[in-house]
Amino acid sequence: QLQLRESGPGLVKPSETLSLTCTVSSGSISSSNSDWGWIRQTPGKGLEWIGSIYYSGSTNYNPSLKSRVTMSVDTSKNQFSLNLTSVTAADTALYYCARQGPLSSGCYFDYWGQGAPVTVSS
Amino acid sequence: QSALTQPPSASGSLGHSVTISCTGTSSDIGSYNYVSWYQQHPGKAPKLMIYEVNKRPSGVPNRFSGSKSGNTASLTVCGLQAEDEADYYCKSYAGSNNLVFGGGTKLTVL
Repeated sequence: QLQLRESGPGLVKPSETLSLTCTVSSGSISSSNSDWGWIRQTPGKGLEWIGSIYYSGSTNYNPSLKSRVTMSVDTSKNQFSLNLTSVTAADTALYYCARQGPLSSGCYFDYWGQGAPVTVSS
Repeated sequence: QSALTQPPSASGSLGHSVTISCTGTSSDIGSYNYVSWYQQHPGKAPKLMIYEVNKRPSGVPNRFSGSKSGNTASLTVCGLQAEDEADYYCKSYAGSNNLVFGGGTKLTVL
C-alpha cells in the first residue's frame, strides 16, 4: 500500500518561503503512471490544487499560485518537494501531498498523506 | 480558474438517497469526463470515491455513483449509512494541465 508523508516547518514568517517535502514509501516515485501533487485546505476555501510534478521533473502549477510555486523531485530519496515564496496569512493551511493518476483518467488523487499544518505568522 | 460550485450542505435520512451537485463551466466539467469525488471525515485526508465521472475505485461501495450532464456533475449516495456523514468534494480537469476543486458539501445523515 503506497504511503505518503509530509514534513516541514509548521510555522513560517510572512514574506518568507514555505518548504515542504513528501516522502513516498511502499512504492516508487518513478512510476510512469503517476504524477505527484500538492493540495492545500483552508477552512474557508476548501481544497485547492497547488501543482503537480512528474518524476522527470516536469511540472504543472495552479495559475493563481504559479508565480510563487516551485516543485522539485529527488528520485534517489523517493521524495518530492514544494516551495511557496512570499507567504502571507492567506497561505495558512493544511498541506497535503498525494499521488495523481494519469491524465487519461482525469488526474484523480488516490493516495494522500496525512497533511501538514502550516501557519504563517510572525 | 474559478472553483467549482457545490451546495454548502446536504442531508438525507438513514437508508434513503441524497444527490450532491457540482457545477462548473464549459471549460472544465462541460469539456471533459474527468470529474472525481472525494469523501473527507473530520481530521482525515480526503478519500477518492469516484473518478472519470462514474467509476468507483476498488473498495468503494456501489451505493456511491456519479453522473454528469452538461456543466454539472453529481454524486448520489443510496441507502445512506451513518458513516457516510462527511464532507464531499468534487474535482475536475480544467484543460492545460489545470485541476480545480469544488468548495465542498457537508453531508448530514439524519
